[in-house]
Amino acid sequence: EAGVVQSPRYKIIEKKQPVAFWCNPISGHNTLYWYRQNLGQGPELLIRYENEEAVDDSQLPKDRFSAERLKGVDSTLKIQPAELGDSAVYLCASSPSKAGPNTGELFFGEGSRLTVL
Amino acid sequence: AQTVTQSQPEMSVQEAETVTLSCTYDTSESDYYLFWYKQPPSRQMILVIRQEAYKQQNATENRFSVNFQKAAKSFSLKISDSQLGDAAMYFCAYRRGGSQGNLIFGKGTKLSVKP
Repeated sequence: EAGVVQSPRYKIIEKKQPVAFWCNPISGHNTLYWYRQNLGQGPELLIRYENEEAVDDSQLPKDRFSAERLKGVDSTLKIQPAELGDSAVYLCASSPSKAGPNTGELFFGEGSRLTVL
Repeated sequence: AQTVTQSQPEMSVQEAETVTLSCTYDTSESDYYLFWYKQPPSRQMILVIRQEAYKQQNATENRFSVNFQKAAKSFSLKISDSQLGDAAMYFCAYRRGGSQGNLIFGKGTKLSVKP
């Protein structure tokens, strides 16, 4: 079974430029998460989707960040314009909606490391 | 709001020895999950062990076990027979039960394993 796939792995941009990250969750996982992880810190949630609906985006800086999950499968996270403080690793995760042996567990991708110069 | 606290930014253990990583959490919920995730330098977060709050028995996965003290809201991870491959960041995490809640992480503990 393929895991959560993210791209790109690394991105270096200058401030004020736009950037986009893509995530493909594990097949059949209806819940998708975007987390931001600053250096030396634990991940913090940006947005959570149930299918195509964003059910928790309270921590998403909506002035510059946007996300979409068309058709309830893969998702894109965009930053426009990027600021120096946006340098971080952006993690995508997915989880199954139905109870099972993995209930509660989130499955993570390898992350996208963003450096803003 | 739920919070997760890891008070040990860094820990070190000798290969083949045992180490315990600490975690406390705060919640008013009765139904929840607790997790320990491992994040090696390659960055992919992988699950080490999971504990359901309603289960009194401490979870065990091979060399990894937890000490779950629900009343004290404490959830420590014990790694026995430490191996070089155990070196990583370890994150304690909380998730509310029932609906698909979010995973709330602590700040992590960096574990070094000395040969």
